[in-house]
Amino acid sequence: DAGVIQSPRHEVTEMGQEVTLRCKPISGHDYLFWYRQTMMRGLELLIYFNNNVPIDDSGMPEDRFSAKMPNASFSTLKIQPSEPRDSAVYFCASSFRTGSYNSPLHFGNGTRLTVT
Amino acid sequence: DAKTTQPPSMDCAEGRAANLPCNHSTISGNEYVYWYRQIHSQGPQYIIHGLKNNETNEMASLIITEDRKSSTLILPHATLRDTAVYYCIVSYPAGSQGNLIFGKGTKLSVKP
Repeated sequence: DAGVIQSPRHEVTEMGQEVTLRCKPISGHDYLFWYRQTMMRGLELLIYFNNNVPIDDSGMPEDRFSAKMPNASFSTLKIQPSEPRDSAVYFCASSFRTGSYNSPLHFGNGTRLTVT
Repeated sequence: DAKTTQPPSMDCAEGRAANLPCNHSTISGNEYVYWYRQIHSQGPQYIIHGLKNNETNEMASLIITEDRKSSTLILPHATLRDTAVYYCIVSYPAGSQGNLIFGKGTKLSVKP
C-alpha cells in the first residue's frame, strides 16, 4: 500500500500563473478530501468527493480554485490565477465506507505551494 | 469551528506516559471522538477513535468519560518520535454526515 500520493511536493510559482496539484488516493477508497494548511488558519477542508462526485465544496475560497476527480484514482486541485495569499501546504486525503463503517482519513504528505 | 478544547502545548519525558486531554462538552450522541497527529512536514496521521467505550490500539489508548464531555489520549511510553501536534476532533464519520474540522491541537514535546 503506497498510501496517498501527492505531486509535486514543492511548487514555486509567480503570481498570476496557473497551478495544478495532483493526488492519487489509496486504491479502493471512495472518498477524497482536499485540505489546506496555513499558520494563520490551520487545516481547512476545501472540498470532498464521493465516488468521483463533488459532495461539498463550501470550503473552496473563491472561483479561482477548482477541483476535479475524473476517475477513482486521480484528482486535481487547480488555482488560476494564483495569488501570494494562496501560499500554503495542500493536503489530499482518502477514506472508504463499507456499510455503516467509515474508515479514518489517510493523508498524503502534501504539496507546499509558494506564490511569489 | 472546532468543537473541542485542547491545551496548546505539553511536555513529556521520554519513556513516560503522555496524557493529552480534550474537552468536547457539546458532543452529540452519534458523534465520534477522533485523534490525529501531525509530525513536522508530514500529513496528519490517524491514531485512534471512539464513540462511548474506551479504546486501545498499538499506538495509544483513548479514555472517554461516561458523560462523553471529555476524553484523554494516552501514549503509554512516549518516545522522541512522538513529538508532534495532536488533534482531538469530534465529528460524524468523515464523508457521511460531516467532515473532520481540525482545531489548533496540542503541541506535545517529548524530551530526553
